[in-house]
Amino acid sequence: SQQGEEDPQALSIQEGENATMNCSYKTSINNLQWYRQNSGRGLVHLILIRSNEREKHSGRLRVTLDTSKKSSSLLITASRAADTASYFCATDADYKLSFGAGTTVTVRA
Amino acid sequence: DAGVIQSPRHEVTEMGQEVTLRCKPISGHDYLFWYRQTMMRGLELLIYFNNNVPIDDSGMPEDRFSAKMPNASFSTLKIQPSEPRDSAVYFCASSLVGSEGEQYFGPGTRLTVT
Repeated sequence: SQQGEEDPQALSIQEGENATMNCSYKTSINNLQWYRQNSGRGLVHLILIRSNEREKHSGRLRVTLDTSKKSSSLLITASRAADTASYFCATDADYKLSFGAGTTVTVRA
Repeated sequence: DAGVIQSPRHEVTEMGQEVTLRCKPISGHDYLFWYRQTMMRGLELLIYFNNNVPIDDSGMPEDRFSAKMPNASFSTLKIQPSEPRDSAVYFCASSLVGSEGEQYFGPGTRLTVT
C-alpha cells in the first residue's frame, strides 16, 4: 500500500526555474527519503531526512519535513534538462519503505 | 562496485510458464529487497531479506510467488505459474541498514506475460 502521496502528479517547468513537489503521509515515520527515476531505469536515492530533522540540503536539493502535518517537500533549484525524471517520496515505518505514486517533472530547454 | 545486478533485463513468457528473476546485491550489503512497479499500483515491496533470511514477505501477492536467498550474493524471485497480471517491472535493491538508510536499486527486469 502507498503511504506517501505526491503532489502534483506532473510538473512542467523551464530550464533554470525551481521545481517544488510535496509528499503527504498517514502514519508516524522514522525517516523520509526522496528518490529519482529516469525513464526505464532503477530508482536513485537523493536525500534522507530523519523524523527529528526539519530541513536538509544537498547540492541543488532542499527537503523539508513537517511531522505535525505529516508532509514533506522537495525543492530543486535552477533546474536542468537532466532533472527530467519521476520523483518519489518513501516513508520508513515498520522497517519498510512505502513509496508514493511519484511526481513526473519535465524540464523544458 | 558494479551496483545491483539483475537478470534478465527483459522477459517475455506465456501464461502458465515459470519465470525466475535473478539479483546480485552490492557486496557487503546485508539487506535485499524485491519490489514490483506497475502503473496501477506504483512501487510495491514484495519481500525483504536480512543476512539471507526472509524477514517480511507480506507483500508477496500469492503462493505463486516465491523468493530465496541461498547466499549473500544471490537472490531469486520465482513466479509459477505466471499470469498476465504479473506483467510489471521487478526491481531488486540492497542496502547496508535496511529502511533506515539509502537503498540501491538495480536496473529492473521488465516482465511481460502473454
